[in-house]
Amino acid sequence: ELKVEQNPLFLSMQEGKNYTIYCNYSTTSDRLYWYRQDPGKSLESLFVLLSNGAVKQEGRLMASLDTKARLSTLHITAAVHDLSATYFCAVDITGALNFGKGTSLLVTP
Amino acid sequence: GAGVSQTPSNKVTEKGKYVELRCDPISGHTALYWYRQSLGQGPEFLIYFQGTGAADDSGLPNDRFFAVRPEGSVSTLKIQRTERGDSAVYLCASSFSAGAGELFFGEGSRLTVL
Repeated sequence: ELKVEQNPLFLSMQEGKNYTIYCNYSTTSDRLYWYRQDPGKSLESLFVLLSNGAVKQEGRLMASLDTKARLSTLHITAAVHDLSATYFCAVDITGALNFGKGTSLLVTP
Repeated sequence: GAGVSQTPSNKVTEKGKYVELRCDPISGHTALYWYRQSLGQGPEFLIYFQGTGAADDSGLPNDRFFAVRPEGSVSTLKIQRTERGDSAVYLCASSFSAGAGELFFGEGSRLTVL
């Protein structure tokens, strides 16, 4: 059974600081996705990582994938309040995505 | 349509009743997925379709849950004899093809079983 684990589950950080969210998964896969969810809203796709060593950046967020370590990271640079949300990683091994529990991020002044 | 459309957005029902939730995927997307999300949790996979057929229904919790996609477009998730534990947000997503890229999610149908 595929397990997808994120840490931390909760993160409070000050504006301007940097931090990394980790996503570990238990079964070989080279397809990993990051999503953002705002309270009461649906999921918004952030990144699609489809090969070992893939790195993608959008604004203050950068995602990477190490398939050998079964690890993806989501790095936040110089956080701003607008980044407050819940971030999910998801792994595809059967055609459907298996999600982690999410990291709830709060960026404070 | 421009995005994945789900109806109803909210449904309140009594324990034991039958419920149908509808999903209209993005035009041209052949894969359609159903997930369930409880408060504070990640989406939990239920079932996905590639075309008209259910490619993987391993996430359906029991035989009270059933989904169809008869013409390869709109899908209906059917829940019989609802229980309070079925209360959650039911999310539908679609993609161009299964395993071919990101899923695009609808706004969800919030089900409350009293």
